[in-house]
Amino acid sequence: EVQLMESGGGLVVPGGSLGLSCTASGFNFRNYAMAWVRQAPGKGLEWVAAMMGVGDDIEYADSVRGRFTISRDNSRNTVSLQMNSLKSEDTAFYYCAKLPLVTLARGYFESWGQGTRVTVSP
Amino acid sequence: EIVLTQSPDTLSLSPGDTATLSCRASQNVDRGYLAWYHHRPGQPPRLLISSVSRRASGIPDRVIGSGSGTHFTLTITRLEPEDFGTYYCQQYGPSPWTFGPGTKVEVK
Repeated sequence: EVQLMESGGGLVVPGGSLGLSCTASGFNFRNYAMAWVRQAPGKGLEWVAAMMGVGDDIEYADSVRGRFTISRDNSRNTVSLQMNSLKSEDTAFYYCAKLPLVTLARGYFESWGQGTRVTVSP
Repeated sequence: EIVLTQSPDTLSLSPGDTATLSCRASQNVDRGYLAWYHHRPGQPPRLLISSVSRRASGIPDRVIGSGSGTHFTLTITRLEPEDFGTYYCQQYGPSPWTFGPGTKVEVK
Protein backbone atom coordinates (compact mmCIF):
# COMPACT_ATOMS: atom_id res chain seq x y z
CA GLU A 1 0.00 0.00 0.00
CA VAL A 2 1.32 3.41 -0.96
CA GLN A 3 1.84 5.66 2.04
CA LEU A 4 3.01 9.25 2.03
CA MET A 5 3.65 11.10 5.26
CA GLU A 6 4.34 14.84 5.33
CA SER A 7 6.06 16.69 8.13
CA GLY A 8 7.54 20.09 8.85
CA GLY A 9 4.56 22.38 8.70
CA GLY A 10 4.05 25.18 11.17
CA LEU A 11 3.84 28.92 11.75
CA VAL A 12 6.40 31.21 10.12
CA VAL A 13 6.65 34.99 9.75
CA PRO A 14 6.50 36.66 6.32
CA GLY A 15 9.88 36.58 4.68
CA GLY A 16 10.87 33.52 6.66
CA SER A 17 11.74 30.00 5.57
CA LEU A 18 10.34 26.56 6.24
CA GLY A 19 11.17 23.08 5.03
CA LEU A 20 8.65 20.34 4.40
CA SER A 21 9.45 16.67 4.06
CA CYS A 22 7.51 13.67 2.79
CA THR A 23 8.47 10.09 3.55
CA ALA A 24 7.18 7.44 1.17
CA SER A 25 6.64 3.72 1.56
CA GLY A 26 4.89 0.87 -0.20
CA PHE A 27 6.41 1.39 -3.65
CA ASN A 28 9.76 1.67 -5.41
CA PHE A 29 10.29 5.36 -4.70
CA ARG A 30 12.98 6.08 -7.29
CA ASN A 31 10.71 4.84 -10.07
CA TYR A 32 8.17 7.62 -9.60
CA ALA A 33 8.07 11.36 -9.94
CA MET A 34 6.79 13.24 -6.91
CA ALA A 35 5.05 16.55 -6.40
CA TRP A 36 3.70 19.05 -3.92
CA VAL A 37 0.16 20.40 -4.18
CA ARG A 38 -1.40 22.94 -1.83
CA GLN A 39 -4.79 24.21 -0.79
CA ALA A 40 -5.13 27.66 0.70
CA PRO A 41 -7.95 28.21 3.22
CA GLY A 42 -11.28 28.32 1.42
CA LYS A 43 -9.61 27.86 -1.95
CA GLY A 44 -9.09 25.07 -4.45
CA LEU A 45 -6.09 22.91 -5.23
CA GLU A 46 -2.89 24.39 -6.67
CA TRP A 47 0.04 22.40 -8.00
CA VAL A 48 3.33 23.76 -6.58
CA ALA A 49 6.31 21.73 -7.77
CA ALA A 50 7.29 18.36 -9.21
CA MET A 51 10.48 16.35 -9.65
CA MET A 52 11.21 13.25 -11.69
CA GLY A 53 12.24 9.99 -10.04
CA VAL A 54 15.81 9.91 -11.24
CA GLY A 55 17.43 12.89 -12.86
CA ASP A 56 17.09 16.64 -12.71
CA ASP A 57 13.81 17.39 -14.46
CA ILE A 58 11.94 19.77 -12.16
CA GLU A 59 8.94 22.02 -12.70
CA TYR A 60 7.55 24.84 -10.57
CA ALA A 61 4.40 26.89 -10.54
CA ASP A 62 5.05 30.53 -11.40
CA SER A 63 3.80 31.57 -7.96
CA VAL A 64 6.71 29.81 -6.21
CA ARG A 65 9.51 29.72 -8.78
CA GLY A 66 12.68 31.25 -7.37
CA ARG A 67 11.44 30.94 -3.77
CA PHE A 68 10.69 27.22 -3.37
CA THR A 69 13.03 24.30 -4.08
CA ILE A 70 11.95 20.70 -4.46
CA SER A 71 14.47 17.93 -3.89
CA ARG A 72 14.49 14.22 -3.18
CA ASP A 73 16.70 11.61 -1.55
CA ASN A 74 16.01 8.26 -3.16
CA SER A 75 18.15 6.47 -0.56
CA ARG A 76 15.80 7.69 2.18
CA ASN A 77 12.55 7.63 0.17
CA THR A 78 11.95 11.28 0.88
CA VAL A 79 10.94 14.33 -1.11
CA SER A 80 11.36 17.79 0.34
CA LEU A 81 10.14 21.31 -0.30
CA GLN A 82 12.32 24.18 0.91
CA MET A 83 10.24 27.34 1.08
CA ASN A 84 12.01 30.70 1.31
CA SER A 85 10.79 34.29 1.24
CA LEU A 86 7.39 33.11 2.42
CA LYS A 87 4.35 35.29 1.86
CA SER A 88 0.95 35.31 3.51
CA GLU A 89 -0.50 33.85 0.32
CA ASP A 90 1.64 30.74 0.83
CA THR A 91 -0.55 29.87 3.82
CA ALA A 92 -2.07 26.53 2.88
CA PHE A 93 -2.32 22.84 3.50
CA TYR A 94 0.55 21.21 1.61
CA TYR A 95 0.16 17.72 0.18
CA CYS A 96 2.85 15.40 -1.08
CA ALA A 97 1.71 13.41 -4.11
CA LYS A 98 2.95 10.54 -6.25
CA LEU A 99 2.86 10.74 -10.03
CA PRO A 100 2.28 7.65 -12.22
CA LEU A 101 5.62 7.64 -14.05
CA VAL A 102 9.31 8.20 -13.33
CA THR A 103 9.21 11.25 -15.61
CA LEU A 104 6.97 14.32 -15.56
CA ALA A 105 5.23 13.18 -18.75
CA ARG A 106 1.97 12.43 -16.91
CA GLY A 107 1.42 15.18 -14.37
CA TYR A 108 -1.53 13.80 -12.45
CA PHE A 109 -1.50 12.72 -8.83
CA GLU A 110 -2.42 9.12 -8.18
CA SER A 111 -1.67 9.01 -4.44
CA TRP A 112 -1.67 11.74 -1.79
CA GLY A 113 -0.41 12.16 1.72
CA GLN A 114 -2.54 13.50 4.55
CA GLY A 115 -0.95 16.92 4.26
CA THR A 116 0.71 19.41 6.58
CA ARG A 117 -0.41 22.93 7.45
CA VAL A 118 1.76 25.97 6.78
CA THR A 119 0.73 29.33 8.18
CA VAL A 120 2.58 32.50 7.23
CA SER A 121 1.66 35.28 9.64
CA PRO A 122 3.39 38.02 11.67
CA GLU B 1 -1.45 28.56 -18.99
CA ILE B 2 -4.62 26.53 -19.47
CA VAL B 3 -7.43 27.89 -17.31
CA LEU B 4 -10.13 25.44 -16.23
CA THR B 5 -13.64 26.48 -15.25
CA GLN B 6 -16.12 24.15 -13.57
CA SER B 7 -19.87 24.29 -13.38
CA PRO B 8 -22.01 24.41 -11.47
CA ASP B 9 -20.34 25.79 -8.37
CA THR B 10 -22.63 23.68 -6.20
CA LEU B 11 -24.92 20.73 -6.86
CA SER B 12 -27.58 19.85 -4.29
CA LEU B 13 -28.60 16.23 -4.74
CA SER B 14 -29.98 13.27 -2.83
CA PRO B 15 -28.47 9.79 -2.45
CA GLY B 16 -29.43 7.76 -5.49
CA ASP B 17 -29.39 10.78 -7.82
CA THR B 18 -27.05 11.31 -10.75
CA ALA B 19 -24.44 14.08 -10.62
CA THR B 20 -23.26 15.69 -13.84
CA LEU B 21 -20.24 17.99 -13.51
CA SER B 22 -18.72 20.09 -16.26
CA CYS B 23 -15.12 21.21 -16.79
CA ARG B 24 -14.17 23.59 -19.58
CA ALA B 25 -10.64 24.50 -20.66
CA SER B 26 -9.46 27.82 -22.09
CA GLN B 27 -7.65 25.90 -24.83
CA ASN B 28 -7.46 22.39 -26.17
CA VAL B 29 -6.25 19.83 -23.62
CA ASP B 30 -3.68 17.89 -25.62
CA ARG B 31 -3.86 14.10 -25.74
CA GLY B 32 -6.76 14.08 -23.31
CA TYR B 33 -4.53 14.87 -20.35
CA LEU B 34 -7.47 15.54 -18.03
CA ALA B 35 -8.00 14.10 -14.55
CA TRP B 36 -10.73 14.30 -11.91
CA TYR B 37 -10.37 14.18 -8.12
CA HIS B 38 -12.76 13.91 -5.19
CA HIS B 39 -11.97 15.81 -2.02
CA ARG B 40 -13.78 15.46 1.28
CA PRO B 41 -13.07 17.64 4.34
CA GLY B 42 -10.32 16.25 6.53
CA GLN B 43 -9.12 13.83 3.87
CA PRO B 44 -6.62 14.12 1.04
CA PRO B 45 -7.93 14.37 -2.51
CA ARG B 46 -8.49 11.08 -4.28
CA LEU B 47 -7.82 10.44 -7.95
CA LEU B 48 -10.96 9.26 -9.74
CA ILE B 49 -10.17 9.54 -13.44
CA SER B 50 -7.13 10.14 -15.64
CA SER B 51 -6.87 10.50 -19.41
CA VAL B 52 -10.46 11.81 -19.55
CA SER B 53 -12.12 8.46 -18.91
CA ARG B 54 -9.76 5.95 -17.29
CA ARG B 55 -10.92 5.07 -13.81
CA ALA B 56 -8.30 4.85 -11.09
CA SER B 57 -7.85 1.71 -9.05
CA GLY B 58 -10.88 0.97 -6.87
CA ILE B 59 -13.17 3.53 -8.51
CA PRO B 60 -16.56 2.00 -9.34
CA ASP B 61 -18.01 1.98 -12.84
CA ARG B 62 -20.80 4.37 -11.85
CA VAL B 63 -18.11 7.08 -12.06
CA ILE B 64 -17.78 8.03 -15.71
CA GLY B 65 -15.49 10.56 -17.36
CA SER B 66 -16.04 11.81 -20.88
CA GLY B 67 -15.27 14.65 -23.23
CA SER B 68 -12.57 15.95 -25.51
CA GLY B 69 -10.88 19.12 -26.65
CA THR B 70 -12.05 21.82 -24.26
CA HIS B 71 -15.17 20.31 -22.70
CA PHE B 72 -15.18 17.45 -20.22
CA THR B 73 -17.82 15.86 -18.04
CA LEU B 74 -17.81 13.75 -14.91
CA THR B 75 -20.96 11.74 -14.31
CA ILE B 76 -21.63 9.89 -11.07
CA THR B 77 -24.72 7.71 -11.03
CA ARG B 78 -26.55 6.33 -7.99
CA LEU B 79 -24.94 8.77 -5.57
CA GLU B 80 -23.88 7.25 -2.28
CA PRO B 81 -23.25 9.14 0.97
CA GLU B 82 -19.47 8.93 0.51
CA ASP B 83 -19.74 10.65 -2.90
CA PHE B 84 -20.57 14.03 -1.43
CA GLY B 85 -17.76 16.58 -1.34
CA THR B 86 -15.86 18.69 -3.85
CA TYR B 87 -14.74 17.54 -7.28
CA TYR B 88 -11.83 19.05 -9.16
CA CYS B 89 -10.74 18.63 -12.74
CA GLN B 90 -7.04 19.03 -13.59
CA GLN B 91 -5.14 19.28 -16.87
CA TYR B 92 -1.66 17.82 -17.03
CA GLY B 93 -0.61 18.79 -20.50
CA PRO B 94 1.83 21.66 -20.65
CA SER B 95 3.19 22.97 -17.37
CA PRO B 96 1.87 24.64 -15.33
CA TRP B 97 -0.55 21.89 -14.46
CA THR B 98 -3.78 23.52 -13.40
CA PHE B 99 -6.93 22.65 -11.48
CA GLY B 100 -10.44 23.93 -11.90
CA PRO B 101 -12.03 25.78 -8.98
CA GLY B 102 -14.14 22.78 -8.02
CA THR B 103 -17.78 21.76 -7.89
CA LYS B 104 -19.25 21.03 -4.48
CA VAL B 105 -21.77 18.19 -4.41
CA GLU B 106 -23.88 18.56 -1.29
CA VAL B 107 -26.80 16.74 0.25
CA LYS B 108 -30.12 18.26 -0.72
